Amino acid sequence: DQQVKQNSPSLSVQEGRISILNCDYTNSMFDYFLWYKKYPAEGPTFLISISSIKDKNEDGRFTVFLNKSAKHLSLHIVPSQPGDSAVYFCAGFGSGTYKYIFGTGTRLKVLA
Amino acid sequence: EAGVAQSPRYKIIEKRQSVAFWCNPISGHATLYWYQQILGQGPKLLIQFQNNGVVDDSQLPKDRFSAERLKGVDSTLKIQPAKLEDSAVYLCASSKDRAYEQYFGPGTRLTVT
Repeated sequence: DQQVKQNSPSLSVQEGRISILNCDYTNSMFDYFLWYKKYPAEGPTFLISISSIKDKNEDGRFTVFLNKSAKHLSLHIVPSQPGDSAVYFCAGFGSGTYKYIFGTGTRLKVLA
Repeated sequence: EAGVAQSPRYKIIEKRQSVAFWCNPISGHATLYWYQQILGQGPKLLIQFQNNGVVDDSQLPKDRFSAERLKGVDSTLKIQPAKLEDSAVYLCASSKDRAYEQYFGPGTRLTVT
């Protein structure tokens, strides 16, 4: 039962362009959605989050959009930089369970 | 502020051997998590502690995995005996009082041969 899905295992984008990473979920009980970035040999680091009552949250170059009717969220990175090359995980968090359900990740490569 | 510390960073063992991982969370973080991340998958929660009590161990294979958190600070995760399918990165994370933002350590990469 995969409650959080990232259907694109990889994505390549030119430097300066927009990167769009997608995530779908099935569990309507999530209260927050989060994006984590992971470099090789390091643990995931928190990037940005969105409450389930919002539809957009922006932090610098990063914007997360939530479409509850479609059970879909996306992370936009504008402009993309080579240092953004990493694996990005989306996760749902339920305040009732206090735990994450992670997607399988999308490997982003930003080409210089 | 120091981050979440884990050791060892890498471990190679033969199947049926035992292994232990150590985690020191961020100071003051009451909630501690152990995750297993198999190659190509997202992290999967194994066990969650609130202070030194277990609040969720529903996905911990209790026949071979055990974990403890003494005095509500450091934690150890043990596998005994290990199987080939236990090869994964084991991540420790902590958060303030079950807050949704978790901080992850660098992980321990376990290879079982």
